[in-house]
Amino acid sequence: DAEITQSPRHKITETGRQVTLACHQTWNHNNMFWYRQDLGHGLRLIHYSYGVQDTNKGEVSDGYSVSRSNTEDLPLTLESAASSQTSVYFCASSEALQGTEAFFGQGTRLTVV
Amino acid sequence: GENVGLHLPTLSVQEGDNSIINCAYSNSASDYFIWYKQESGKGPQFIIDIRSNMDKRQGQRVTVLLNKTVKHLSLQIAATQPGDSAVYFCAENKNDTGKLIFGQGTTLQVKP
Repeated sequence: DAEITQSPRHKITETGRQVTLACHQTWNHNNMFWYRQDLGHGLRLIHYSYGVQDTNKGEVSDGYSVSRSNTEDLPLTLESAASSQTSVYFCASSEALQGTEAFFGQGTRLTVV
Repeated sequence: GENVGLHLPTLSVQEGDNSIINCAYSNSASDYFIWYKQESGKGPQFIIDIRSNMDKRQGQRVTVLLNKTVKHLSLQIAATQPGDSAVYFCAENKNDTGKLIFGQGTTLQVKP
């Protein structure tokens, strides 16, 4: 079955380190998204991509970057991790932009100490 | 600003009763709404969706109602079961961009 997977599931890193979270989907969806989930804020959009070589900033993009070199992967990089980036990160993909749901991965819990 | 919000952070119901979870949105231009269920330690899971040209849509044990006049969305779960215990989010597909704006979530607790 097609799926979307994130790795690692849990990570602890130190302030100032560069961290990359992986997201891989096998649906061949063009559209991929990264969200973060914090208590009291629900899910907020970090970055998104509508296809290979396309990347766009979301609502809370400061301190994050993404790259899209192929259809299946959208890695999320924290350039210099900060304690404010301690959160649960979710990757999602969707087949179309109109009238279809997004499918979410299981999430990565990141702790910055 | 644009936001999708839920009225109650926690809803506690008796097993077998019906549950109603509410959501208010502010972007009148939005035309696609989704309800997600999130269990502990998992990602959001699609439950049901509705387009703005509809007032009601039914699934298996779930119904979504959309009132565009007051910009209100609700999720009704019939005969609530322990497996329905989770956090429920409404989300708005902003201007058909695929970008989802989420509410803060309602935790549904089902008492046996």
